[in-house]
Amino acid sequence: DAGVIQSPRHEVTEMGQEVTLRCKPISGHNSLFWYRQTMMRGLELLIYFNNNVPIDDSGMPEDRFSAKMPNASFSTLKIQPSEPRDSAVYFCASRPGLAVYEQYFGPGTRLTVT
Amino acid sequence: LAKTTQPISMDSYEGQEVNITCSHNNIATNDYITWYQQFPSQGPRFIIQGYKTKVTNEVASLFIPADRKSSTLSLPRVSLSDTAVYYCLVGELYNQGGKLIFGQGTELSVKP
Repeated sequence: DAGVIQSPRHEVTEMGQEVTLRCKPISGHNSLFWYRQTMMRGLELLIYFNNNVPIDDSGMPEDRFSAKMPNASFSTLKIQPSEPRDSAVYFCASRPGLAVYEQYFGPGTRLTVT
Repeated sequence: LAKTTQPISMDSYEGQEVNITCSHNNIATNDYITWYQQFPSQGPRFIIQGYKTKVTNEVASLFIPADRKSSTLSLPRVSLSDTAVYYCLVGELYNQGGKLIFGQGTELSVKP
């Protein structure tokens, strides 16, 4: 298995632009999580899905952030408009099911907003 | 979710055993203790999980005393490649769909 796949690995954009981050979870996993990591705030959970349905989005910073999971093999995290304070590494993780605690993380997308 | 406290950083030398202790005084009856490892420029990776006593796998051992208010991750004979941040997490196995709350972690530096 290729593991969790994220794209792009690096993204540099200007303030005000729309940014879309993509994630392909491990096949057969029915939970998907989006995290953000910065030096100041550490690793924060933004949103997670079970069976493609958003369960908890309380970590989403504000309305500029949105996430979708149109099917079991794909999810997006969109920031519009982007701001310099959104610069961070964004991780996607997936999990086999509710009875398993272990999450499998992707390599992350390093976002820089100038 | 129970709050955890662990040292911010630790130093060690190759070949030594490293023990990282995590305090979780408010752990609940249904809570499990889980440790993740994060290498620079990578996502966290599950290491080990336990409920009580001792758990051992090919990577580490986890020691949990009877009162479960703390736990110790033990890494035998560390190498330079064990340099990473180690996170202790506490929560119900089935809680909220497996929501994980990461603390600040312990940055382990292994020197030659």
